Amino acid sequence: QQQVKQSPQSLIVQKGGISIINCAYENTAFDYFPWYQQFPGKGPALLIAIRPDVSEKKEGRFTISFNKSAKQFSLHIMDSQPGDSATYFCAALFQGGSEKLVFGKGTKLTVNP
Amino acid sequence: EAQVTQNPRYLITVTGKKLTVTCSQNMNHEYMSWYRQDPGLGLRQIYYSMNVEVTDKGDVPEGYKVSRKEKRNFPLILESPSPNQTSLYFCASSVWIGVSGRGLQFFGPGTRLTVL
Repeated sequence: QQQVKQSPQSLIVQKGGISIINCAYENTAFDYFPWYQQFPGKGPALLIAIRPDVSEKKEGRFTISFNKSAKQFSLHIMDSQPGDSATYFCAALFQGGSEKLVFGKGTKLTVNP
Repeated sequence: EAQVTQNPRYLITVTGKKLTVTCSQNMNHEYMSWYRQDPGLGLRQIYYSMNVEVTDKGDVPEGYKVSRKEKRNFPLILESPSPNQTSLYFCASSVWIGVSGRGLQFFGPGTRLTVL
């Protein structure tokens, strides 16, 4: 019930292409969905986040699409660049102020030049 | 500079030798948390703290202790480390965002622990 399932595990995209990472959850007690980007040797860094009452959020080349009825959300990276090569984690935050954050297992993105 | 710091960054120890990993944040955040990251398992929460003297278990608390005596510090204690605690550890702290009252977590640089 606390899981967030993330796919694919790894993704290779050509420069300029679109990278798509998908996540799914079961627990309706989640009410905030951030995405984190992690470079080798660094801690995860918040990339973009969405609330379930919004179907899409865009920040630059990064877009989250959210389907509340399907309990699915995805990260789209437009015009992918080699500098986007990193591991991406989706996450879900429990409602009620506990701030308990549950992570997906991560997607390693490689953008080839 | 706003940041979360962890020390040490790298540690090799032996089974049973007590150790402490420190975590400090300079952002006056109320919420702090510890995670471990293992290949194929992602990040799993060990313990978290909503404020001074308020701590609670995460998903994988066994073998760990924490304390929160000051707002800025949240040390992770392994009283009798075992090889299965070899992992990459991250501390995080959280800032509230606007009227929604939800926190967004900022992570430290990580501590790579090896228990022999």
